[in-house]
Order: sequence, then C-alpha cells, then structure tokens
Amino acid sequence: QKEVEQNSGPLSVPEGAIASLNCTYSDRGSQSFFWYRQYSGKSPELIMFIYSNGDKEDGRFTAQLNKASQYVSLLIRDSQPSDSATYLCAVDGGGADGLTFGKGTHLIIQP
Amino acid sequence: EPEVTQTPSHQVTQMGQEVILRCVPISNHLYFYWYRQILGQKVEFLVSFYNNEISEKSEIFDDQFSVERPDGSNFTLKIRSTKLEDSAMYFCASSEGTHSNQPQHFGDGTRLSIL
Repeated sequence: QKEVEQNSGPLSVPEGAIASLNCTYSDRGSQSFFWYRQYSGKSPELIMFIYSNGDKEDGRFTAQLNKASQYVSLLIRDSQPSDSATYLCAVDGGGADGLTFGKGTHLIIQP
Repeated sequence: EPEVTQTPSHQVTQMGQEVILRCVPISNHLYFYWYRQILGQKVEFLVSFYNNEISEKSEIFDDQFSVERPDGSNFTLKIRSTKLEDSAMYFCASSEGTHSNQPQHFGDGTRLSIL
C-alpha cells in the first residue's frame, strides 16, 4: 500500500514570510512528485512537479526532492494571503498509475 | 489555456439509481483519469484510461463502476446502483503522456450527492 504523509496543519505563516510544506512517501519506486493547491470546494491545481533529486524553482515556489530520505518539500517565498489553501503532495509510480495523494496541509497566510 | 471540463457541476440522485459523469479532456492529451474525494478526505485514484481501454484501476473501482470514451472528445464515468457512500466530488484528469514531465491536469469536478 503506497502512502503519502503530510502534516494536516493548519500551518500559519505571516504575509511576506517563507512557507515550508513537507511530505514523505513510502514507495521507493516512486518516480514523479507533484504539488497541487486546492482551495476549499475546488479542484486540485498543479503548482509544481519534480522528478530529479535537488531543487526546482518556479517563481516564488521551490520544490525539493530527496529520494534517499523519501522526502519532498515545497517552499513558498513572499507568501501572500491568496496562497492560503490546502497543499496536496502527490506521488506517481510511473506508467499510467494514478497519483497517490496525501491528505494535504492547510496553509494560512496571515496579513 | 486549455482545460479539462466536467459536467454536471452538481448531480443529485436517489440511492440505487445510475449516474453518468462526463468529462472533456484537454484535446491533445492521451491519458484520462477519474479520482474521487469524499468530503474532508484525500483525493483517491479510481481508474486510468488509454487507447480506449482501462490501464490501471484501484480497489475502489469495482463492478459498480465503468468508464467509456463514447466519441472523440468525451470521457464518462458510470456508476450503477448508487449507494450513499458514493457521495463525493469526482474529478476527471488528463495528461499528454506518462513521462515524469507530463503532469495530470484536473477538471473542476462534479459534486455527486446520493439521497
């Protein structure tokens, strides 16, 4: 059984600060890793994906992957109130396998 | 930007009835997926579909469920003899391929309420 674990939060971060979201996964064969943002009552929206060890940056977002530790993280710089949402970590085993999602971390950016 | 579209946005059905949820994937995408999210719980994979056949399915996707691509644009999920526990958000997703850099994009979902 593949598992993806996230701290459910809420994680409260002041506006302008860096928000750090973490995720661990159980299947060492996992190949691709995704961060989705989900506003209440809405669908998951892709933020970033990463499949190589190290960091990947896109604007205010940085994804970090450490396959040896089975750990993925998302950093959000200069946090804005509009970043307040639930952030879902998802893992792909390759092929046409569906994504395995974590329960998500509820992030609150305080103005 | 191209997007996955789903209809209806909300479906209310009596227990025991059949429902069909519809999706139009992004036009150049080849892989299609259905997920569900029960209120307050995580998003769960149901099934993936490629080249007019099921590629993978989860334990949730039992004989009550079926998928079909009836024409060149629509992708449907049919739930026969619905149960109360089928109440959830159902998301359709699509991707260009299965390579690591071909992520899945989700539609807005259909909220299914079983009475």
